[in-house]
Amino acid sequence: AQSVSQHNHHVILSEAASLELGCNYSYGGTVNLFWYVQYPGQHLQLLLKYFSGDPLVKGIKGFEAEFIKSKFSFNLRKPSVQWSDTAEYFCAVNSFRGSGYNKLIFGAGTRLAVHP
Amino acid sequence: SQTIHQWPATLVQPVGSPLSLECTVEGTSNPNLYWYRQAAGRGLQLLFYSVGIGQISSEVPQNLSASRPQDRQFILSSKKLLLSDSGFYLCAWSGLAGSRYFGPGTRLTVL
Repeated sequence: AQSVSQHNHHVILSEAASLELGCNYSYGGTVNLFWYVQYPGQHLQLLLKYFSGDPLVKGIKGFEAEFIKSKFSFNLRKPSVQWSDTAEYFCAVNSFRGSGYNKLIFGAGTRLAVHP
Repeated sequence: SQTIHQWPATLVQPVGSPLSLECTVEGTSNPNLYWYRQAAGRGLQLLFYSVGIGQISSEVPQNLSASRPQDRQFILSSKKLLLSDSGFYLCAWSGLAGSRYFGPGTRLTVL
C-alpha cells in the first residue's frame, strides 16, 4: 500500500537556523508531491508542489523542496527560519488511479516550533 | 477565485446524537470534493470523496456517511455519534493534478 513517512514529529529550532523536514513515500508509479502548512488557527494551505521538470521546487515564504526519485524523497528546506514559520507541515503524495479521481496520501505531519 | 466554506466551526454533541456538517464551494463547477479527518500525530485521513452529484465513495468503514445533493455542496452525516467520532473535519476540493484546497474545518467534540 502507498504510504508517506515524515521522520520528525516535532522539531524545535531557533530563529535563523536552517530547516530540513524529511519526507519519504512508497509508490513506484507516477506521483505528484506536495507540502502543506497549517499555521496556528488557520486553514491548511499549499506550500509548494512538484509535478515534473526541475526536481528543486521553490514555494512561498522562502521554502523549497527537492524531489529525489531514487530515494523516494521530497524533503522540505528553508535556509533560515523565522518565528512566523511555527506551524505544522504535511507532506503529501498523489498517485494516479484513473479518470475522475486521484488519491492524495498525507504524512502524519511535523510540528515546527521556532523560538526567537 | 475559489472559496470553500464549512459550518459550523465548532460543535459539541452528546453520544448517540445525529450529525450534519456542511461544506460548500464557490467559484468552480463540478469539483471533486473530499471529507478528511485530522487527528493529532496521524495526519489527514480521507473519509469520503465525490466526483459528482450523488456520487460518493468511502475510503474507510465508519460510523459516518456523506452526501452530495448539489454540485458544490458536500455534507457529512451520522445518525448516532460515537465518542471516537471526535476530531477535526476538513472539506476540500481538488485542483490541478490533485492539489487539495481545504476549508477552515469543523472541530467536533462528542461527549
